Amino acid sequence: EIVLTQSPGTLSLSPGERATLSCRASQDVTTYLAWYQQKVGQAPRLLIYGASARPTAIPDRFSGSGSGTDFTLTISRLEPEDSAMFYCQQYFSSPWTFGQGTNVEIK
Amino acid sequence: QVHLVQSGPEVKKPGASVKISCKTSGYTFTEFAIHWVRLAPGQRLEWMGWINADNGKTNYLQKFRDRVTITRDTSATTVYMEVSSLKSEDSTVYYCARGRPAFDFWGQGTLVTVSS
Repeated sequence: EIVLTQSPGTLSLSPGERATLSCRASQDVTTYLAWYQQKVGQAPRLLIYGASARPTAIPDRFSGSGSGTDFTLTISRLEPEDSAMFYCQQYFSSPWTFGQGTNVEIK
Repeated sequence: QVHLVQSGPEVKKPGASVKISCKTSGYTFTEFAIHWVRLAPGQRLEWMGWINADNGKTNYLQKFRDRVTITRDTSATTVYMEVSSLKSEDSTVYYCARGRPAFDFWGQGTLVTVSS
């Protein structure tokens, strides 16, 4: 099973600041890596797939990078509504696995 | 427009079973897999299993292989997940999601509470 480790556990930033979230895989997943945002009481929302591709409805403030074992999600200019848990997920091999999440708090 | 709509909240006793439905619409049902994910203790998302909506083949996380069954009804474009031998630790929210292969659309979640 591929283990995904996210850091930091919590990120507390002000609106307009840049957020950088990290996800490290225990083995090579090439670019089969996705990022999801989950707000309290809501279902997760796909932000990034293929490590760096963005669905059309996702604002370009969200960007992903990386390949192999090290990946980054960047939120270029935080907005108050970005407060949420963020998870990475690998779909390179079964079982599909998620990281433990990064909690982004907006001051 | 793609929609996945799940059945409502359930309250079950320990040892009982629960069957959750995921009604899909807005796309060709047999072209995409449906996965089930739950919110594990500590707020981590846990993948449970998936079904190939075209041929009905399934794959489960090892720990759920004896207790979870995923099925589909192609005429109703609906996927079901049954969890048996429920324990208190199974009390959480369960989600279905379309696999493309990243999970691009999700159901709203179904809260299952296991309590005596």
